[in-house]
Amino acid sequence: DQQVKQNSPSLSVQEGRISILNCDYTNSMFDYFLWYKKYPAEGPTFLISISSIKDKNEDGRFTVFLNKSAKHLSLHIVPSQPGDSAVYFCAASPFNQFYFGTGTSLTVIP
Amino acid sequence: NAGVTQTPKFQVLKTGQSMTLQCAQDMNHNSMYWYRQDPGMGLRLIYYSASEGTTDKGEVPNGYNVSRLNKREFSLRLESAAPSQTSVYFCASSDPVGQGFPGELFFGEGSRLTVL
Repeated sequence: DQQVKQNSPSLSVQEGRISILNCDYTNSMFDYFLWYKKYPAEGPTFLISISSIKDKNEDGRFTVFLNKSAKHLSLHIVPSQPGDSAVYFCAASPFNQFYFGTGTSLTVIP
Repeated sequence: NAGVTQTPKFQVLKTGQSMTLQCAQDMNHNSMYWYRQDPGMGLRLIYYSASEGTTDKGEVPNGYNVSRLNKREFSLRLESAAPSQTSVYFCASSDPVGQGFPGELFFGEGSRLTVL
């Protein structure tokens, strides 16, 4: 049973606009959350993380929001750029394990 | 700085053959992981090693064995390959950050395995 869910397989956004990628989890033991970006034929690369003691974390154009009561997190990319086109995975961790969602393919249209 | 290195990058096997995927990291990380990526399934954890000398099953361990050879190396073995093991395999490593949180995963470039 999938413990981390990304219900939108794909998302298209105009360049310069905001991209919002969503992720839901079921296990209340998850206390550390990460977002990864993946290009074809490459390994995933880390974007941003957030621990359960925070509800927001920013790094440049990327902001992650965590709503623990709803077991929901989201990644905001502002402004979106064509180079952001990739598959985005959210991941959640209890202890030493990391569980990943199925990914959302983001296309930023120039 | 190479990070996480996986070999081989590509492999074709026949059903029933065995092989070992090798992984090495040069970041002195304590924890190492093996994932597989399949279309529509995301990344699923096969096995992980929280520290040298320990290994634990992940979400999909059946058909695989692992060895944490030393702190740097973590290998994944398929004893009798099956077509269902056709996938892209990723090795990763991490180290804890403050307050006991596990830190980010650093991934290798992946190994594409096809079982005929």
